[in-house]
Amino acid sequence: DQQVKQNSPSLSVQEGRISILNCDYTNSMFDYFLWYKKYPAEGPTFLISISSIKDKNEDGRFTVFLNKSAKHLSLHIVPSQPGDSAVYFCAATPNRDDKIIFGKGTRLHILP
Amino acid sequence: SAVISQKPSRDICQRGTSLTIQCQVDSQVTMMFWYRQQPGQSLTLIATANQGSEATYESGFVIDKFPISRPNLTFSTLTVSNMSPEDSSIYLCSVGRTGSADTQYFGPGTRLTVL
Repeated sequence: DQQVKQNSPSLSVQEGRISILNCDYTNSMFDYFLWYKKYPAEGPTFLISISSIKDKNEDGRFTVFLNKSAKHLSLHIVPSQPGDSAVYFCAATPNRDDKIIFGKGTRLHILP
Repeated sequence: SAVISQKPSRDICQRGTSLTIQCQVDSQVTMMFWYRQQPGQSLTLIATANQGSEATYESGFVIDKFPISRPNLTFSTLTVSNMSPEDSSIYLCSVGRTGSADTQYFGPGTRLTVL
């Protein structure tokens, strides 16, 4: 039973355009959400997070939006760059002390 | 930040055998975690290993199948015992501290194939 769902296994975006990665969750107890980025043969690295008390968090080219009523969050990357090609994992946790539940990941391809 | 290395990076094993995966961290950490990513699936937490206490296993994972050692604050091992093809996965260790989910650092993973 997937509590964190990333329904797009892959996404291709032209360099310079906006990349939008989507994530849905089912557990209403989730209170803290994270995005991780993973390159081949490397472990995932933390990218950006958002607490449920906010609906938007921005860090440079990366913005995460949270819609609690829809149990949906998205990661926006603008402008997209070749180095953004990676697998992106959405994750959630009931609080920052608890274990993290990951989605299956979305592979992002940035096209030249 | 923390730099984490894992050995081996990959292995191909026969069913019925066991493999021990090592995780080394460049600094002392209290909490270490072991994850599994089966093909096409999400990262799933196997267990939490704190130095000085027995590992805590998540539902669906048992110590007989995945024994863990944590002899000191910079090292841990995960053994995959009596392997079957269903154990073919990427196994990752990670470190973190309580209250900071966004500062959890991952090792590069061990890709295991069981024939």
